[in-house]
Amino acid sequence: KNQVEQSPQSLIILEGKNCTLQCNYTVSPFSNLRWYKQDTGRGPVSLTIMTFSENTKSNGRYTATLDADTKQSSLHITASQLSDSASYICVVSRLDNTDKLIFGTGTRLQVFP
Amino acid sequence: GAGVSQSPRYKVAKRGQDVALRCDPISGHVSLFWYQQALGQGPEFLTYFQNEAQLDKSGLPSDRFFAERPEGSVSTLKIQRTQQEDSAVYLCASSLVGTHFQYFGPGTRLTVL
Repeated sequence: KNQVEQSPQSLIILEGKNCTLQCNYTVSPFSNLRWYKQDTGRGPVSLTIMTFSENTKSNGRYTATLDADTKQSSLHITASQLSDSASYICVVSRLDNTDKLIFGTGTRLQVFP
Repeated sequence: GAGVSQSPRYKVAKRGQDVALRCDPISGHVSLFWYQQALGQGPEFLTYFQNEAQLDKSGLPSDRFFAERPEGSVSTLKIQRTQQEDSAVYLCASSLVGTHFQYFGPGTRLTVL
């Protein structure tokens, strides 16, 4: 079972609409959670990073939330643009000395005009 | 440019052929990571360097995979006797120290025929 699960697998929305992507994790002990955006053919780019004590963080039209008790996170995109079409990957870091990141499989978002 | 660069961007290899993938991290970044990303999946950790020291290679799938970073900057991921299941995008990431702010390169797409 994947330690970081995302839903939905894919999503299609119209330009200008809002959407919310979900991430559930079982990684323990928890260090931090980050959301990455990955355009086709490119490497992931960090959107937000949240530690245990943070429950929301914004980056422009992107707002991430974190509930460390239920081990859930969401990424909300407001007023979507065509350029938001990409994969959004939830990544969790375990609090140990391995320095490894555990990636979800991503949500593929397509924004149509 | 100031970002992480990787070469080649695309590589087609015949089964059994050896390949070498190069990563140029951001200048001054101590930590360097290699990931393997299968089609439609999130990246999976392969190995981690701090300067020239390979601190974690637990993600390397077999002894056909070998990574080095002899001078603490450029890194090479070598795959010997490639197999079809090695087909994936290989991502390199670097950070000043540790995993907190990782910057990803564009990846090398390897196709093994």
